[in-house]
Amino acid sequence: AQSVAQPEDQVNVAEGNPLTVKCTYSVSGNPYLFWYVQYPNRGLQFLLKYITGDNLVKGSYGFEAEFNKSQTSFHLKKPSALVSDSALYFCAVRDSVSGGYQKVTFGTGTKLQVIP
Amino acid sequence: DTGVSQDPRHKITKRGQNVTFRCDPISEHNRLYWYRQTLGQGPEFLTYFQNEAQLEKSRLLSDRFSAERPKGSFSTLEIQRTEQGDSAMYLCASSQGLAGVGDTQYFGPGTRLTVL
Repeated sequence: AQSVAQPEDQVNVAEGNPLTVKCTYSVSGNPYLFWYVQYPNRGLQFLLKYITGDNLVKGSYGFEAEFNKSQTSFHLKKPSALVSDSALYFCAVRDSVSGGYQKVTFGTGTKLQVIP
Repeated sequence: DTGVSQDPRHKITKRGQNVTFRCDPISEHNRLYWYRQTLGQGPEFLTYFQNEAQLEKSRLLSDRFSAERPKGSFSTLEIQRTEQGDSAMYLCASSQGLAGVGDTQYFGPGTRLTVL
């Protein structure tokens, strides 16, 4: 079975400082990993994904994420936070050995608050 | 805008009534997904279509729930005899890609259901 954990319900960071939102996963095979952002009363917006290759993945709005197989982590990062980055962030995983169906499992979300 | 669209955005109904939601995926996407999201949680998978075929249903999808995608384009999700526990945000997503590869799911804005 696949699972994903976001250990922090909320992360507070000052505007201009670097931010990290943590994510760990568990799969049987190889992971496909995703980050999404959700603004209030909106659907999820895709930020980036890791399928294979370079462990550092760059995505939308200046975000990036680092895949670490030994630590089974896929933390989301940004060098300099903006107030507009304040939102709910979801990590998601799909196991490469899950068969024909592409079920994606989402974490419970981390609320990012960027303080002016 | 060529993103995923959902209608209605909000639905308030009385317990016991039937409701139907519609999702229009991105036009070239052959896969369509329904999720349910409750407050403080990540999206939970409900069901999945590849073209018009419904290939997977979650145990969350009781017999009061039915989904269709008759022509492989738009989809409908119907909830019969609604209960207060059905109150949630219902999200639709679509994707296009190679089977077995982690294709990206793009989400619509969601339909927020409130059952009184």
